[in-house]
Amino acid sequence: RKEVEQDPGPFNVPEGATVAFNCTYSNSASQSFFWYRQDCRKEPKLLMSVYSSGNEDGRFTAQLNRASQYISLLIRDSKLSDSATYLCVVNIKAAGNKLTFGGGTRVLVKP
Amino acid sequence: GAVVSQHPSWVICKSGTSVKIECRSLDFQATTMFWYRQFPKQSLMLMATSNEGSKATYEQGVEKDKFLINHASLTLSTLTVTSAHPEDSSFYICSANQGIRANEQFFGPGTRLTVL
Repeated sequence: RKEVEQDPGPFNVPEGATVAFNCTYSNSASQSFFWYRQDCRKEPKLLMSVYSSGNEDGRFTAQLNRASQYISLLIRDSKLSDSATYLCVVNIKAAGNKLTFGGGTRVLVKP
Repeated sequence: GAVVSQHPSWVICKSGTSVKIECRSLDFQATTMFWYRQFPKQSLMLMATSNEGSKATYEQGVEKDKFLINHASLTLSTLTVTSAHPEDSSFYICSANQGIRANEQFFGPGTRLTVL
């Protein structure tokens, strides 16, 4: 079983619509959670950290469910520029600052 | 945010040659740098953790004699792919930790290696 699992998609989203997707992690010792965005042939860039109480950054909302070991990302009012692969990333404190990446969820926003 | 550079951005080489990739933190000192590999349509896989002045720590399944890592200063780490083969063709990405927290890890733009 992969440590971090994501639906690879693609999620085809009409411009202006809302899209949400989850990520599950297997290690209950996971402590820090992030969503990264990766564009084709580019490096991943931090989109947002995910906090226990859930957090919002503009059109993006992240949630954490420790009991069920999943995190989610919701994108409201999707823009064409939101088309990318969204990587779920987990850190286990005992492992230092090593990050474990999910396989990514591809989102395609269409006009 | 902090800037991490990689050089070269892409390289094509013949099978059997060695390729060196540089990773630099441009505006901060990084005690720890990480090297990842990403095959097409797959996620980033951590290859090794590089600490300044000490030997790198390799992930399971990564050959340390094939992927030589040197972290000689707080701003530079190098990855050398020795005796490269076509199956080593991949996107190699480094990252550097600006601080002590995991979310202070910044990624370089990556190096696309193609081995013929």
